[in-house]
Amino acid sequence: DQQVKQNSPSLSVQEGRISILNCDYTNSMFDYFLWYKKYPAEGPTFLISISSIKDKNEDGRFTVFLNKSAKHLSLHIVPSQPGDSAVYFCAASERGAQKLVFGQGTRLTINP
Amino acid sequence: DADVTQTPRNRITKTGKRIMLECSQTKGHDRMYWYRQDPGLGLRLIYYSFDVKDINKGEISDGYSVSRQAQAKFSLSLESAIPNQTALYFCATFSGFGYTFGSGTRLTVV
Repeated sequence: DQQVKQNSPSLSVQEGRISILNCDYTNSMFDYFLWYKKYPAEGPTFLISISSIKDKNEDGRFTVFLNKSAKHLSLHIVPSQPGDSAVYFCAASERGAQKLVFGQGTRLTINP
Repeated sequence: DADVTQTPRNRITKTGKRIMLECSQTKGHDRMYWYRQDPGLGLRLIYYSFDVKDINKGEISDGYSVSRQAQAKFSLSLESAIPNQTALYFCATFSGFGYTFGSGTRLTVV
């Protein structure tokens, strides 16, 4: 039972364009959402997060949008750069649970 | 030095063997976690620990055990390894500012 789903295993975007990665969740108790980026041979690194009391959080080129009614969040990267090529994981947690539930990951490739 | 160090980085073992994956951290965090990554399944939680005396099962704990020897050390054991435990294993710590992951241990069970 996958509580956090990333339905696109891969995404290819041209350099300079916008990358949009999507994530859906089923557990209405989730109240904190995170995106992690993972390069080969490295552990995931934190990218950006959003609390359920917000619908948008922005950090430089990265913006996360949360639609609670649709149980959907998305990560926008603009403009996309070659160094953004990595696997991106969406993750969620319940208040007080202090553990993350991850999606399957989306491999983003930025083409020159 | 990395904040979260996992050893070994790579390991090939035979079916039925006992193997231990080790994790140590220099961040002073109480909370530590073991996840495994499989293609198409993302990261799944195996065990987690909120302090030395508090060990909890995650969603896929069968076939695994853990030991929290000290605040800084959290080991994962496979008592009798089987091929479907071939995966990439990550240790992580948590503070109020977020999670920090190690670089992973790639385990192959043949």
